[in-house]
Amino acid sequence: AQKVTQTQTSISVVEKTTVTMDCVYETRDSSYFLFWYKQTASGEIVFLIRQDSYKKENATVGHYSLNFQKPKSSIGLIITATQIEDSAVYFCAMSSGTYQRFGTGTKLQVVP
Amino acid sequence: ETAVFQTPNYHVTQVGNEVSFNCKQTLGHDTMYWYKQDSKKLLKIMFSYNNKQLIVNETVPRRFSPQSSDKAHLNLRIKSVEPEDSAVYLCASSWAGGDTEVFFGKGTRLTVV
Repeated sequence: AQKVTQTQTSISVVEKTTVTMDCVYETRDSSYFLFWYKQTASGEIVFLIRQDSYKKENATVGHYSLNFQKPKSSIGLIITATQIEDSAVYFCAMSSGTYQRFGTGTKLQVVP
Repeated sequence: ETAVFQTPNYHVTQVGNEVSFNCKQTLGHDTMYWYKQDSKKLLKIMFSYNNKQLIVNETVPRRFSPQSSDKAHLNLRIKSVEPEDSAVYLCASSWAGGDTEVFFGKGTRLTVV
C-alpha cells in the first residue's frame, strides 16, 4: 500500500533563511509523481511544485525547490529566502494513479 | 474565473440531520474528488469521480453519498450526520489519474452539535 509520511509537525525559522521540510513515501510503482501543496491560514490549498519519479533533475519553481532522493524514497521541499507570508501548512502528496494521497503536513512559521 | 467552487462555506447542524454540499469546477477537468480534513489537518480521500463515474470510495460510511450530474459537478450528501462528521470537506478536481496538480475549493466546514 502507498504511504506518505511527514515527520516534522512544525518548524519555526527566521525570515530570509532557508528551510527544508522532509517527506518520505512508500510505493511499489516504478513510475509515480510527487507533489507539494501549501495550505494558508484561510484554509486555501494551492499547488507549489512537482517531481516526476523518472526525472533525475530536482524540480525548481521560484524560491521552491525539491531534494529528490529516489533510493531513500525521499522528497524534501526547500524554501530559500523565506518570507513571513510563507507561514502555512505544507503537504507532501503522491499520486496513486487514481488520486493523490497526502502526508500529515508540516506547519511552518516564519518569524521576523 | 476558472476554479473550484463550493457551497456552503459553513454549516452547523444537529446529530441525525441530513446535509448536502455542492461543488462545481470550471477548469474543464474530467476528475473530481471529495477529501475530508479533520481537526488535526489530516487530508483523507473520500471519493473520486471520473466523467460522472465513481472511481474511488475509500472506506467511507454508507451515510455518505456522492452525486455527479456531469463532469463539472460533484455534490456530497450525508444522511443522518454524526459528531465525528465535523470536519472541513474539500472538493477538488484534476485531470484523470491524479498525476497532475489538483485544484481545491475553499472547503465547507461542517459542525455537528
